[in-house]
Amino acid sequence: EVVMTQSPATLSLSPGERATLSCRASQSVSSSLAWYQQKPGQAPRLLIYGASARATGLPARFSGSGSGTEFTLTISSLESEDFAVYYCQQYNNWPRTFGQGTKVEIK
Amino acid sequence: VQLQQSGPGLVKPSQTLSLTCAISGDSVSGNTGAWNWIRQSPTRGLEWLGRTYYRSKWFYDYTLSMKSRITINPDTSKNQFSLQLNSVTPEDTAVYYCARDGPGNWFDPWGQGTLVTVSS
Repeated sequence: EVVMTQSPATLSLSPGERATLSCRASQSVSSSLAWYQQKPGQAPRLLIYGASARATGLPARFSGSGSGTEFTLTISSLESEDFAVYYCQQYNNWPRTFGQGTKVEIK
Repeated sequence: VQLQQSGPGLVKPSQTLSLTCAISGDSVSGNTGAWNWIRQSPTRGLEWLGRTYYRSKWFYDYTLSMKSRITINPDTSKNQFSLQLNSVTPEDTAVYYCARDGPGNWFDPWGQGTLVTVSS
């Protein structure tokens, strides 16, 4: 199965700062990569699909990039509601697999 | 589309875990969606378990590691689908989610999640 590795495990930033989250696949997944946000006690919420397409209603401060094995989620200027855990997921291969998550916490 | 989960939060070891996911705003037998179960635990993270979908007939995909223990069934009369996991152990303790994947195969939306604890 495709192993998804996210880095860093934790990102400590202040509101207004830029967040850059990385996701690496153990083999190429083309652009079949999604990003999710999860807050405590909630289900994951789709942010990005197709590596770079924003889900409906997602603020423009969120952007995704990459293809093949290297992907990035960027939050240009952190708002208070953005502090959460972020997961990447590939859907190019079976089984569908997720990264272990990056926690974006308030510094 | 909204997904509403139901089912017990406590299951005894060796017994069967059963959860249901009710669908509103879409049809379990629609030709564009697939209906998934995913679980999340501190040790295993997010783990896709399986799915069912209808394309002139019913299809079922399961993760290999659980294929002998898992069944996902659609219920067209109630527009819902279910998860059954047999012979559970404490390692099956997790939050279980249902989720839809459409033509693009990403998961959206998700159900609210059900914490299932396997304990005697």
